[in-house]
Amino acid sequence: SYVLTQPPSVSVAPGQTARITCGGYNIGSKSVHWYQQKPGQAPVLVVYDDSDRPSGIPERFSGSNSGNTATLTISRVEAGDEADYYCQVWDGSSDHWVFGGGTKLTVL
Amino acid sequence: QLQLQESGPGLVKPSETLSLTCTVSGASISSNSYYWGWIRQPPGKGLEWIATFYYSGSTFYNPSLKSRVTISVDTSKNQFSLKLSSVTAADTAVYYCARLSGTSRWWFDPWGQGTLVTVSS
Repeated sequence: SYVLTQPPSVSVAPGQTARITCGGYNIGSKSVHWYQQKPGQAPVLVVYDDSDRPSGIPERFSGSNSGNTATLTISRVEAGDEADYYCQVWDGSSDHWVFGGGTKLTVL
Repeated sequence: QLQLQESGPGLVKPSETLSLTCTVSGASISSNSYYWGWIRQPPGKGLEWIATFYYSGSTFYNPSLKSRVTISVDTSKNQFSLKLSSVTAADTAVYYCARLSGTSRWWFDPWGQGTLVTVSS
């Protein structure tokens, strides 16, 4: 089965740039989606199809995907960005949906 | 505005069957181009995909849960349901329903608020 690997935690100072990675075999050939989950809340889609943003998501959130790594980039990080972030793909070879283990973003 | 709402018992005894319903408002679950799904999250842990279906028949399951999961759809009530049999404490989690978009890419958006199900005697 397809596996997505995320770092457990990332820390960044306010105003700086946070980069959260999602590793998977040849992930660049798949579409990667990212979710933000704040404590006690349901996940919210922040990036889909590697780099597109749903309406209402700030331009500070961007994504890229190539080779074996996809990356969610959050520019000019704010305290309100502190949350867990999950990557997700659809594995078409098996019709399974896969989530990464999640990364806790801490704003110092 | 599309909204999803999970409902069901918050406490289930071990070995019994967990039953949850997702009520959809603002869109029809019979719409073309959308799948619908269930995801769960054990306390303090990550997200786990349970199952995804298309209203007219195709259903896909997490292999680790497939033998215990049943998905049903009631288009007249715009609801779909999850049954998970033979539950254990490991099935204690917040259960979410969601719509899937993006043919052949498939992301989850939006999600319901989630409902906590505790398995305990």
